[in-house]
Amino acid sequence: DTAVSQTPKYLVTQMGNDKSIKCEQNLGHDTMYWYKQDSKKFLKIMFSYNNKELIINETVPNRFSPKSPDKAHLNLHINSLELGDSAVYFCASSWGLASEQYFGPGTRLTVT
Amino acid sequence: KQEVTQIPAALSVPEGENLVLNCSFTDSAIYNLQWFRQDPGKGLTSLLLIQSSQREQTSGRLNASLDKSSGRSTLYIAASQPGDSATYLCAVNRSGANSKLTFGKGITLSVRP
Repeated sequence: DTAVSQTPKYLVTQMGNDKSIKCEQNLGHDTMYWYKQDSKKFLKIMFSYNNKELIINETVPNRFSPKSPDKAHLNLHINSLELGDSAVYFCASSWGLASEQYFGPGTRLTVT
Repeated sequence: KQEVTQIPAALSVPEGENLVLNCSFTDSAIYNLQWFRQDPGKGLTSLLLIQSSQREQTSGRLNASLDKSSGRSTLYIAASQPGDSATYLCAVNRSGANSKLTFGKGITLSVRP
């Protein structure tokens, strides 16, 4: 059983396009996150949602818009993609804001 | 601002060796610390979580310790195996309502048969 799943696994697109990445967790957690892992493998938080409410927005450009339709889903929509958006994006979830986080397999986004 | 450092960036050891991976952080006001494993092209797997009130946690051949006052944590791997080869990431969770994980850059471990 997959705990945290993301789709798609790979995403190749051109500059200027708009794309979405979906995340679902079946752990019953109430908090979900998006992280970005850059080319140097450095992981940094982008957003966190608790009970569908935005808690953390780490100075991410407003081209990135997370959407949480329910506690089990947190999708990431990216407008006007830029070359610098190329990275691996990880979704994670936890029970509460400060407990153990479980990560999805990642979505490798390549912008050409 | 919290900074997490993991040195060295890479480590190569022969199979069977006991080893210690180090993690240091600048702000001791943490809620907990989590160690992860990342295999190439894969997601992160949680290994151990230590609460700020704890000194250590153990899972199988893994033991993680925490010294909050000195801003240090170690991950001890006993009797290393080639299957332990991966990148090990340390992440600290700050206290407060807006808690979030701050990651180190990881240590890439290679265990030689």
